[in-house]
Amino acid sequence: HSAPTQPASVSASPGQSITISCTGTGSDVGSGNLVSWYLKLPDKAPKVIIYEVKKRPSGVPYRFSGSRSGTTASLTISGLRAEDEGDYYCCSYTSRGTWVFGDGTKLTVL
Amino acid sequence: EVRLVESGGGLVLPGRSLRLSCTVSGFTFDTFALHWVRQAPGKGLEWVGFLRNQNSGGTPEYAAPVKGRFAISRDDSKTAAFLHMNGLTSEDTAVYYCARESGGAYAFDIWGPGTRVVVSS
Repeated sequence: HSAPTQPASVSASPGQSITISCTGTGSDVGSGNLVSWYLKLPDKAPKVIIYEVKKRPSGVPYRFSGSRSGTTASLTISGLRAEDEGDYYCCSYTSRGTWVFGDGTKLTVL
Repeated sequence: EVRLVESGGGLVLPGRSLRLSCTVSGFTFDTFALHWVRQAPGKGLEWVGFLRNQNSGGTPEYAAPVKGRFAISRDDSKTAAFLHMNGLTSEDTAVYYCARESGGAYAFDIWGPGTRVVVSS
């Protein structure tokens, strides 16, 4: 199962907003509202920041939001802060009963 | 406290086998599905496979690159899950994480710190 496509990198200054896209197929991202997003920091375990396309786990700031249109899911971070820097991955449940991660996006806060 | 801790990683020769363990605490182990995810050096996250909870049949699913070589099992009495890896190649060199699937959300809410596997001669 091919990985959903994400931009390799995005960057912005503190206080600005960014959006990371995750483009898959009708068999994964487009198959339902089962897309999640993870922040991966070096030498740390991933942390879920969005699940079921747009739901935020307890403790995740309102600055993080998710959406989906067709086969593309998006993660938006508003009011960027230095601590948001890291690698972001989308992940989707697939019609085959498996999961697939996107290829990841490196966020740099300038 | 809800925790998952992986163990069993290390250096292994190509073609050999290795078993990773994921020991859990702080939650009712047999009611959650458990997943394995890996990250090779310089690469992204890769879903490896998972084991359904007992209510869902306790059956596994695997990603294509490991299907037929890897097997996931669980011991509910020991609150542990295992990743049995056979026929290892350098492509399997990675940090391996176990993760709990949050109930019904198809997302991974709790992760272990990971265990490193290096396949090299």
